Amino acid sequence: DSGVTQTPKHLITATGQRVTLRCSPRSGDLSVYWYQQSLDQGLQFLIQYYNGEERAKGNILERFSAQQFPDLHSELNLSSLELGDSALYFCASSAWGGGGTEAFFGQGTRLTVV
Amino acid sequence: AQTVTQSQPEMSVQEAETVTLSCTYDTSESNYYLFWYKQPPSRQMILVIRQEAYKQQNATENRFSVNFQKAAKSFSLKISDSQLGDTAMYFCAFSGYGGSQGNLIFGKGTKLSVKP
Repeated sequence: DSGVTQTPKHLITATGQRVTLRCSPRSGDLSVYWYQQSLDQGLQFLIQYYNGEERAKGNILERFSAQQFPDLHSELNLSSLELGDSALYFCASSAWGGGGTEAFFGQGTRLTVV
Repeated sequence: AQTVTQSQPEMSVQEAETVTLSCTYDTSESNYYLFWYKQPPSRQMILVIRQEAYKQQNATENRFSVNFQKAAKSFSLKISDSQLGDTAMYFCAFSGYGGSQGNLIFGKGTKLSVKP
């Protein structure tokens, strides 16, 4: 158990819908990362938050947004869903978020868009 | 932009033997970090080993060791005495050095099967 909790584990929704994925980081970790794992794109970094503020942005679509709350949990919002958004979404957390910091991954949310 | 390439989509090894997974990367930075992550069928991402680019000594963690060739931008993972539990996808990853460089850039992965 990494200490990072993601909910839900599985999610099935229709095209055009909006979903919210939730992540609780390890106790004491200030930084949260979101990654998308799909068969064609592999593992891609989406976005990073550190202590409530956006720290870095990767290949995140405009239809996707995220935030980190004062209690440090984070949510990833995916809207106007398309079939191609079907993927495994990982959250990871680390102590401070700089280069080389060990990131601990949650078990992922499997999103299926039908 | 940094890139990470794993040229072996799949590999197999007999139990108790040694296997080496390859990884090359491209960066213009002089300081950075490299990682190998394991993803078993449970899909949990598990850190296997970590290398700091400014350290010349290759990292070792029990049966796992790396061969880090900075000039060649190569970072291979050697698994000795392979065990059935080593069956997994293995991802090579890169992160930068600065305060906002904690995100990982992953290769496409190598699927390793350990056969009894």
